[in-house]
Amino acid sequence: EDQVTQSPEALRLQEGESSSLNCSYTVSGLRGLFWYRQDPGKGPEFLFTLYSAGEEKEKERLKATLTKKESFLHITAPKPEDSATYLCAVQLNTGNQFYFGTGTSLTVIP
Amino acid sequence: EPEVTQTPSHQVTQMGQEVILRCVPISNHLYFYWYRQILGQKVEFLVSFYNNEISEKSEIFDDQFSVERPDGSNFTLKIRSTKLEDSAMYFCASKGTGGVKLFFGSGTQLSVL
Repeated sequence: EDQVTQSPEALRLQEGESSSLNCSYTVSGLRGLFWYRQDPGKGPEFLFTLYSAGEEKEKERLKATLTKKESFLHITAPKPEDSATYLCAVQLNTGNQFYFGTGTSLTVIP
Repeated sequence: EPEVTQTPSHQVTQMGQEVILRCVPISNHLYFYWYRQILGQKVEFLVSFYNNEISEKSEIFDDQFSVERPDGSNFTLKIRSTKLEDSAMYFCASKGTGGVKLFFGSGTQLSVL
């Protein structure tokens, strides 16, 4: 069965304290892995797409990496405005739908 | 930047009533999706729609649900007879041809009493 698991469920960081979020996946055929940011009461907002093991993408304080079994979202020197829920999603090569993980709720304390 | 628009933002209904959730996808997109998120749970796929027909649907999308693109701009989700467990945030999303990025609307919070 295809699965996407994110950890930790919640993470509290001091401003400037770097950390990583994990997304583990077990799927039959991966087309792409996606990271989204979701603010309370809003829809997910696209951050990154990764397609193959070894690929990395960066945007400001965020860097996403991909292996054959998991993806990491590294947050360097986070700021309070980085507080949000970060969602990982996979798209299979058999269809168009996206499967989401449960997300990591990140709180950055000033 | 273009955006997906959903209305209403909040909908309260009585159990057994029909509701229609409305979405205006980004104008040149051809792939449309409905997802839902029950409070505290993961974003769940309901249905995808392409070329005026359903291309995929999940087990959640049973006979009580239907989707329609009544004109060139709107995309609707209808729930015929709502149940308490249908209470959730419903997100519409769209994607362009050849694109991979899903654009989500801000959601409709459906509360079934």
